[in-house]
Amino acid sequence: DAGVIQSPRHEVTEMGQEVTLRCKPISGHNSLFWYRQTMMRGLELLIYFNNNVPIDDSGMPEDRFSAKMPNASFSTLKIQPSEPRDSAVYFCASSRGFNQPQHFGDGTRLSIL
Amino acid sequence: RKEVEQDPGPFNVPEGATVAFNCTYSNSASQSFFWYRQDCRKEPKLLMSVYSSGNEDGRFTAQLNRASQYISLLIRDSKLSDSATYLCVVNIHASGGSYIPTFGRGTSLIVHP
Repeated sequence: DAGVIQSPRHEVTEMGQEVTLRCKPISGHNSLFWYRQTMMRGLELLIYFNNNVPIDDSGMPEDRFSAKMPNASFSTLKIQPSEPRDSAVYFCASSRGFNQPQHFGDGTRLSIL
Repeated sequence: RKEVEQDPGPFNVPEGATVAFNCTYSNSASQSFFWYRQDCRKEPKLLMSVYSSGNEDGRFTAQLNRASQYISLLIRDSKLSDSATYLCVVNIHASGGSYIPTFGRGTSLIVHP
């Protein structure tokens, strides 16, 4: 069975550019989570969706970040404009239900120069 | 005080040793507890859920102590392949009524020959 699929695996871009990260959750999972991981702050929840509806976005750092889930099989996390401090590994995860174990994608390693 | 705390370690143990990690959480209304392992430059992977009565999976035992607000992970007969970072996850009850999956910073385990 396919796991959570994220793209791209790596992204290097200059500050000020728009960055779009993509995620395809596991089929049948109705909860989707976006995380950011850095050495300084560890793994931080940015936003999560339940049945395509954003439930909590209190972890989104600022207005430059936005996330959408137009359907059950696709979500995006967008940063516009990007800044060097956004450099991190961004993980997407999905689960059958909110209190169920999460399955993570391979992550996107983002470097903003 | 952080909502979910772990001793970062590293715990440096010889093969065959028994090692235990704790993870404390601050919100007594928390529910759903999990242990994940993360290898260097990889995504977190579910190790085991933590049930109220405690549960065991091979060499791994997880326990929940609601009164003292911590969960624990015990690894018996450590293998070199157990070397990784172990992350606890607690679903913290948020003010809006939702639950926020909150990761600890992780405990590093190094098993040496």
